[in-house]
Order: sequence, then structure tokens, then C-alpha cells
Amino acid sequence: DVKVTQSSRYLVKRTGEKVFLECVQDMDHENMFWYRQDPGLGLRLIYFSYDVKMKEKGDIPEGYSVSREKKERFSLILESASTNQTSMYLCASRRDRGPGTEAFFGQGTRLTVV
Amino acid sequence: GQNIDQPTEMTATEGAIVQINCTYQTSGFNGLFWYQQHAGEAPTFLSYNVLDGLEEKGRFSSFLSRSKGYSYLLLKELQMKDSASYLCAAQKGTALIFGKGTTLSVSS
Repeated sequence: DVKVTQSSRYLVKRTGEKVFLECVQDMDHENMFWYRQDPGLGLRLIYFSYDVKMKEKGDIPEGYSVSREKKERFSLILESASTNQTSMYLCASRRDRGPGTEAFFGQGTRLTVV
Repeated sequence: GQNIDQPTEMTATEGAIVQINCTYQTSGFNGLFWYQQHAGEAPTFLSYNVLDGLEEKGRFSSFLSRSKGYSYLLLKELQMKDSASYLCAAQKGTALIFGKGTTLSVSS
């Protein structure tokens, strides 16, 4: 079974802090994604990566950056956390971009910025 | 651009059949996924369609019409455990773009 592991289930950070959310997958998948999920807004794509050191902006990249130094690990970075970044963050991975290749999700990190 | 629409909420009773619709306008469309998400849990894969027609998987079926930009998820013989959010997602290149989800409540 594919396992996508996010380092924290819950995080509380202060406004202005630099925050790192970590995600690791154990199935040698090429593609990894970061989404945020908010009530009434659904899952929105922040950034994704299709290879080591490669990244693409999603629909809402502002205020975020990412890092993919190793194939199995994809980090989301909040450069200076703000209260409007309080959300559930979900990491996902896909084997490749082929049609029908499903995405597997981690359990999510609920981030609260105070 | 992309736009994916699905109803916000639906209710149904145990044993019934429910159809959750999804319409999409996505450039570079390359397939349509359905995911199920129980409260507090990660989304899990239900089905995928890339060609027009119906795909059946046990109690769940999914339909796609590419020319109409339309899909639906059909759930038969509803059970209480089917109470969850159902997420429609269009594949665009590498990424999956999700709709806002439909919360289904099943009552006895």
C-alpha cells in the first residue's frame, strides 16, 4: 500500500513565523502535491512537483514556497505565517501523470496561525 | 481556466439511490476522478473516467460525457457509512483540480 505521511497532524504557530510542513511518500512516485482545504472552498492546489527540484505553481501559491530535494519528500514552506493561512493542508502523491493514475493523500496537517 | 461545479449538500435515506452531479470547464482535460472523504480523514479514490460512458464498481458507478463537460457519481443501496463528502476532480496535465465537494447525509 502507498503511504503518504505528513509530519504533524496539528500545528499551532504565531503570525510571522516561518513554518515547514513535511510530506514523505514511500512508493517512488514522481508527482507530489500540496493542497489546502477550507470549508466552502474545497481542495485548492498550492504547488506541485513532477520531479526532484522541479516545481509548478498551482492556483493559490501566494505566501507559500516548496522544496523537493529528494524524490520521496515534498515540503511546503510558509515564509511568514498569517492568520489567513489557518487551514487543513493535504499532501498527495501520484505515480506519474498518466491518465487514471490516482492520487494518494496524507492524513492532513491542521495548521492554526495565531 | 478551470471551473468545477457540484452541489454543496445532498440528503438521502438508507437503501436509496443518489446521483451526485459534476460539471467542469477545464482546459487540457485528461480525465475525471471521484474521491470520498469522511470527516477528519484523507480523501480516498473511488473512480476514474476518461472516455464517455459508465464505469461500474460495486455499489458505485461513475459516468462521463466529455462533450457536455459533465459527470455523475451514482451510489446505490445507500448505507449510513456512505455519509461523507464526495469530491469531483478533473485531471489537467499533472495536477488534479477539485470541485468544492458535495456533502452527502444518509439517514435511516
